[in-house]
Amino acid sequence: KAGVTQTPRYLIKTRGQQVTLSCSPISGHRSVSWYQQTPGQGLQFLFEYFSETQRNKGNFPGRFSGRQFSNSRSEMNVSTLELGDSALYLCASSYRISISGANVLTFGAGSRLTVL
Amino acid sequence: TQLLEQSPQFLSIQEGENLTVYCNSSSVFSSLQWYRQEPGEGPVLLVTVVTGGEVKKLKRLTFQFGDARKDSSLHITAAQPGDTGLYLCAGAFREGGSEKLVFGKGTKLTVNP
Repeated sequence: KAGVTQTPRYLIKTRGQQVTLSCSPISGHRSVSWYQQTPGQGLQFLFEYFSETQRNKGNFPGRFSGRQFSNSRSEMNVSTLELGDSALYLCASSYRISISGANVLTFGAGSRLTVL
Repeated sequence: TQLLEQSPQFLSIQEGENLTVYCNSSSVFSSLQWYRQEPGEGPVLLVTVVTGGEVKKLKRLTFQFGDARKDSSLHITAAQPGDTGLYLCAGAFREGGSEKLVFGKGTKLTVNP
């Protein structure tokens, strides 16, 4: 079956612009989580959506937002981009909402954002 | 705040050598996962350990969860160039009524032929 698909894979923006990233989860998976990955901070949790509702949120400013559609596809948006937002943004899907020993996160290949 | 410290941060070895990567915390986790991430790809789950003291083997990879469920190690025997990648540990814990996952910053492993 198809894996987690993220688009676009690469993009370049300038400070002050906004960006929207898309994630299509594995068919049947209802939970989508977003992570920011940078060399200095590693993977940091942004938010998790399950059945179109945000269930968990990390410690990121309000410029970072997301949503999930009825078909489980998810988008995240970053407004008023800053240089520090340059990162690899990873989406992961899972069948269940809770992170338990039995839960498995399947990651997409990520969207690499460069802010100039 | 739950934190996971991974060591070493970088590791470069020759093919055939053995190595161990560590993941440590002062916090207790309900389970711990190990992922491997290759350049240009997302992390791929290798194993989940749940019980304190648990040892799991995946071919040449051995994973151990500490008795107190605060630390874990990954041992690779006879490393191969295909083992090259970023190894990430992730600990699951409950906070505010929901379960969360925190990642370590990773160990970047390079296995030279």
